[in-house]
Amino acid sequence: DTGVSQNPRHKITKRGQNVTFRCDPISEHNRLYWYRQTLGQGPEFLTYFQNEAQLEKSRLLSDRFSAERPKGSFSTLEIQRTEQGDSAMYLCASSLARGADTQYFGPGTRLTVL
Amino acid sequence: GEDVEQSLFLSVREGDSSVINCTYTDSSSTYLYWYKQEPGAGLQLLTYIFSNMDMKQDQRLTVLLNKKDKHLSLRIADTQTGDSAIYFCAVDDKIIFGKGTRLHILP
Repeated sequence: DTGVSQNPRHKITKRGQNVTFRCDPISEHNRLYWYRQTLGQGPEFLTYFQNEAQLEKSRLLSDRFSAERPKGSFSTLEIQRTEQGDSAMYLCASSLARGADTQYFGPGTRLTVL
Repeated sequence: GEDVEQSLFLSVREGDSSVINCTYTDSSSTYLYWYKQEPGAGLQLLTYIFSNMDMKQDQRLTVLLNKKDKHLSLRIADTQTGDSAIYFCAVDDKIIFGKGTRLHILP
């Protein structure tokens, strides 16, 4: 399967703990996006990378959130000192950044903060 | 900022056509997309339309774009039970999504 993969698929953590999610994009894709989706809502843009450079961050991305893409391939999203309001599905997408910049989404990581 | 609005629910009888509507605010949007999300799954790109087009057809899917009214629609012909899902309208590269329309198929 050469699609976008995300790990873990589910994460349950206690409030105040740190969590890290990983996204492996489609191999030749140079753009990688992170979104957050809560129940009954559409996905909300968090941040994106062009190769290893983080080009834009949404104001939704508080100081407790950090994302990296060190070698321009996989990316990690870390949330420090998790809060109950962080409970959501975290989606990753990748694209070739040409033309329609069609984004291909991974299955997501569902985070539950107790 | 950009806002994308959709109706939340649509019920359609199997075999009929489904029409899902979307309005957006940013007239400079270049590409407009339709995504499908099935329960517990990620988003699947169904189709997209470039802003200089009025219509795009792809098998059972027809996308209509009215730039003047900033209105986008997705028509699914001969709706099947496998079409039950949430459909998201989205605009442009940082993709601003609507809240999604849940399509329910009646037997």
